[in-house]
Amino acid sequence: DVKVTQSSRYLVKRTGEKVFLECVQDMDHENMFWYRQDPGLGLRLIYFSYDVKMKEKGDIPEGYSVSREKKERFSLILESASTSQTSMYLCATVTGTGKNQPQHFGDGTRLSIL
Amino acid sequence: AQSVTQPDIHITVSEGASLELRCNYSYGATPYLFWYVQSPGQGLQLLLKYFSGDTLVQGIKGFEAEFKRSQSSFNLRKPSVHWSDAAEYFCAVGARGSSNTGKLIFGQGTTLQVKP
Repeated sequence: DVKVTQSSRYLVKRTGEKVFLECVQDMDHENMFWYRQDPGLGLRLIYFSYDVKMKEKGDIPEGYSVSREKKERFSLILESASTSQTSMYLCATVTGTGKNQPQHFGDGTRLSIL
Repeated sequence: AQSVTQPDIHITVSEGASLELRCNYSYGATPYLFWYVQSPGQGLQLLLKYFSGDTLVQGIKGFEAEFKRSQSSFNLRKPSVHWSDAAEYFCAVGARGSSNTGKLIFGQGTTLQVKP
């Protein structure tokens, strides 16, 4: 089974802090994604990466950046956290073998910015 | 633009009753379709997927879904709901040109409540 591990289940930070959310997968998947989930809005794509050091903006990249130095690890960075970024963050991975395959999700990080 | 609509934000059914969750998509070609379930405080778990072939697909936990091209729908069904099915359900479609990226477009989600 694919294992996608997000470093924290719950995180509380202060406005203006730089925040790092980590995601690690053990299946050698090429593609990794960061979403935020808010009530009534479903999942919205922040960034995704299709290879080491490769990234592409999703639908809501403002205020976020990402880093992928190794294939198994994909980090989401809040450069200067704001209260509007309080949300549930989900990481997902999928193999990039050329056909649509299901994404595999971590358990999520519930982030509160005070 | 591609989109996925789940018309029902919240549904309540009695335990043992049948269930149908609606999903409509907007896509120009044959879509790749998925249903995921999210239990409270958890990530998303795949219930089933449709790529091609038989339009009635079976999934885990006794769920099934039917792809209807004429109605642009992919509704999720279960004949008898259990209390443990209470969760949030998401429908998703593979984004156009996504065969190599795996990008998905998600609906807004439907929260299922099960009455004893």
